[in-house]
Amino acid sequence: EVQLLESGGGVVQPGGSLRLSCAASGFTFSSYAMAWVRQAPGRGLERVSGISGSSTYIYHTDSVKGRFTISRDNSKNTLYLQMNNLRAEDTAVYHCAKGTLEHCSGRRCYNFDSWGQGALVTVSS
Amino acid sequence: IQMTQSPSTLSASVGDRVTITCRASQSVTTWLAWYQQKPGKAPNLLISKASNLESGVPSRFSGSGSGTEFALTISSLQPDDFATYYCQQYENYVTFGQGTRLEIK
Repeated sequence: EVQLLESGGGVVQPGGSLRLSCAASGFTFSSYAMAWVRQAPGRGLERVSGISGSSTYIYHTDSVKGRFTISRDNSKNTLYLQMNNLRAEDTAVYHCAKGTLEHCSGRRCYNFDSWGQGALVTVSS
Repeated sequence: IQMTQSPSTLSASVGDRVTITCRASQSVTTWLAWYQQKPGKAPNLLISKASNLESGVPSRFSGSGSGTEFALTISSLQPDDFATYYCQQYENYVTFGQGTRLEIK
């Protein structure tokens, strides 16, 4: 059974930093792309960052470029999201999600067949 | 690619047949998925490739469409189906629709 367990959420002041982790089990972690998908209060889903199985391909949405860094440690079956210079609009539940492929093929990517319950990040003074 | 779902909210009763639509701003061929999300829970993949039902998903759910117009149909609503539904295209990177909340009438 696939399990994804996020940790590292919390309350941080604007301009602060947090590091999210996602511990994965139940599948061959290095064979699949992973992503962080966030959901602001009362809002829809937004893919924030994605990373291929071998870390060769990395994606960040425009609003977080230069502030967030996605990474993975395949020896530890763990996905990370380093978030710096946080803003109020980054407040959301951050889910890690397992892609159905190792990486996008050109622009054609993948859907997500397993999700974690999410980590709440609140940016407030 | 922008994904637009309609309606934003749908009120229905147990036993009803309901359809949620998803429109893409350009063709995504059939690279479209549907998810169900309940409050405080993670999204759950229902359908991939526009019409492929995921393992364990009840057969009352079905997906259809290609190009820019897609639909998720629930043939006979059950109490467990009241939730929010999202479409997601993966033809050109990844984008989600804004969601459709299915509520009890």
